Amino acid sequence: GIQVEQSPPDLILQEGANSTLRCNFSDSVNNLQWFHQNPWGQLINLFYIPSGTKQNGRLSATTVATERYSLLYISSSQTTDSGVYFCAVSKETGGFKTIFGAGTRLFVKA
Amino acid sequence: AAGVIQSPRHLIKEKRETATLKCYPIPRHDTVYWYQQGPGQDPQFLISFYEKMQSDKGSIPDRFSAQQFSDYHSELNMSSLELGDSALYFCASSLRRGDRPYNEQFFGPGTRLTVL
Repeated sequence: GIQVEQSPPDLILQEGANSTLRCNFSDSVNNLQWFHQNPWGQLINLFYIPSGTKQNGRLSATTVATERYSLLYISSSQTTDSGVYFCAVSKETGGFKTIFGAGTRLFVKA
Repeated sequence: AAGVIQSPRHLIKEKRETATLKCYPIPRHDTVYWYQQGPGQDPQFLISFYEKMQSDKGSIPDRFSAQQFSDYHSELNMSSLELGDSALYFCASSLRRGDRPYNEQFFGPGTRLTVL
């Protein structure tokens, strides 16, 4: 099956700093999403981005499908950005089994 | 906008009991997914349904079963509960529309199951 690796596993930032989170995947995929899981456990959609670049406020993401990686950029981080960031992928093979990476745990200090 | 609804939000059961979790997808979404997330783990795919038919299966124990009903809501039935079943269970839905590769999933708030 598809392997998904996220880096770094843990990240501590000072409020206002920028960061880049990486997601590598081992096979071509049809779907790729970034999620933020807040401290209450809620999974929040950030981007649906199987290829290309998208931006939403302080967040942006880029997926280079041919090289099998995606990047999530967080600029001017805030304490509310704390939580776990997951990358999830799926491949159309008669179904849509979705594989999550292990996540990047982010803590933003005030 | 309407979101995915899950009930109950919290559930406490004893070992060997049964539990039923319910999921109401976003209106007009045709695909439902179930995930299990243990403490400190990433969500693990259990099973999915497309147009009320089982679509794909992941690491779902034989003690668990699921179905999608005519109104598109889904239920995850868990029997002979074990301590290791304690986890956050998510339901997600998407609008797949046949063989389109596009498949953006939206997650519900989850049901936190504790087995004592």
